[in-house]
Amino acid sequence: SQQGEEDPQALSIQEGENATMNCSYKTSINNLQWYRQNSGRGLVHLILIRSNEREKHSGRLRVTLDTSKKSSSLLITASRAADTASYFCATDAGGSNYKLTFGKGTLLTVNP
Amino acid sequence: EAGVAQSPRYKIIEKRQSVAFWCNPISGHATLYWYQQILGQGPKLLIQFQNNGVVDDSQLPKDRFSAERLKGVDSTLKIQPAKLEDSAVYLCASSSTGSPLHFGNGTRLTVT
Repeated sequence: SQQGEEDPQALSIQEGENATMNCSYKTSINNLQWYRQNSGRGLVHLILIRSNEREKHSGRLRVTLDTSKKSSSLLITASRAADTASYFCATDAGGSNYKLTFGKGTLLTVNP
Repeated sequence: EAGVAQSPRYKIIEKRQSVAFWCNPISGHATLYWYQQILGQGPKLLIQFQNNGVVDDSQLPKDRFSAERLKGVDSTLKIQPAKLEDSAVYLCASSSTGSPLHFGNGTRLTVT
């Protein structure tokens, strides 16, 4: 079953613009992670935010987490054509097994 | 470090045939995952190994899918017999305990 739901399903922007993707989830989490998937490739980890954190930055990436609303957002600033990919949020519910449940993803297209 | 290796890269079979996928995780990673990713969707966990023991196979269709992890290193996933709805990308991932997942590039299976 899918835990996270990304919004929007698809996003098309111009190079240099910012891109914002949202993720909502249903149950309590230990942490939330964002992954990128280029066409025909595997997923690559971008950033992890723990349940007791509200905001995290990594280069041009900014992630926020609102546990009261069970939602997270990923902001990519000054986008580049190379950022074109699918972006997935994944939740770790904690417990004895380290298991991630992925959402359906947002397809981001950055036009040069 | 070398990444997660998967083979074959592509496979086309007819329904009711059998197929096997192979995965070599990152050296030292105790946890290995097999995910199924249907076109346009996020990855869905099929089975999770901790060393050579299964810790979660709740979403594995056990009447046709099987997996093993020999000596806690390499893993194989088998489908027998295949159905049309098994057409998907099969992703292998590995991790150290509690750390982000590292994915291979997957095997794209087409069942005709």
